[in-house]
Amino acid sequence: GEKVEQHESTLSVREGDSAVINCTYTDTASSYFPWYKQEAGKSLHFVIDIRSNVDRKQSQRLTVLLDKKAKRFSLHITATQPEDSAIYFCAASNMGYKLTFGTGTSLLVDP
Amino acid sequence: GPKVLQIPSHQIIDMGQMVTLNCDPVSNHLYFYWYKQILGQQMEFLVNFYNGKVMEKSKLFKDQFSVERPDGSYFTLKIQPTALEDSAVYFCASSLVQGDSDYTFGSGTRLLVI
Repeated sequence: GEKVEQHESTLSVREGDSAVINCTYTDTASSYFPWYKQEAGKSLHFVIDIRSNVDRKQSQRLTVLLDKKAKRFSLHITATQPEDSAIYFCAASNMGYKLTFGTGTSLLVDP
Repeated sequence: GPKVLQIPSHQIIDMGQMVTLNCDPVSNHLYFYWYKQILGQQMEFLVNFYNGKVMEKSKLFKDQFSVERPDGSYFTLKIQPTALEDSAVYFCASSLVQGDSDYTFGSGTRLLVI
């Protein structure tokens, strides 16, 4: 089955800097790649997604890049703010109803 | 935005007993899911449910597990009997369609089997 690896377990940046979180996947049939944010004690919240028919998607300060050849996708956060501090999970799916998650990246933005 | 509510937030239970985890999904959603997360590990798919039926279940969805949503009420995960390795956080999720940004998670039920 699908395996998703999230490369950075922790990431610390200064406020205003950019942060990049990288994930790889194994199933070439995967076509949907969402990202979720989890703050302490709270549920996962959807932040952005990308489908395999594009290789880039941007929403305000967030950009997701998808390299299907390398089976790699990444989340880029620009102009980071302290409220961006959270655990970020990448996920992959080939049918949309079943998500395979990475292990999470704990992002800390130092003010 | 719309929320998925999970009840209870924490549950401690003796090994061998039955436990029911309750999920109140987003009202117009049609697809329902359970995920399991053991401390420090990634969240793993257990099962998804649509139109009154299980669509797919993973290897983690043991015979002791069952799900139902009687008459549009809570979507429940029942474990009977519980085992020590069932200790984890169980997340419920719901979505209107498959594979879209409306996939909404609850805050999780922390289950401890002792």
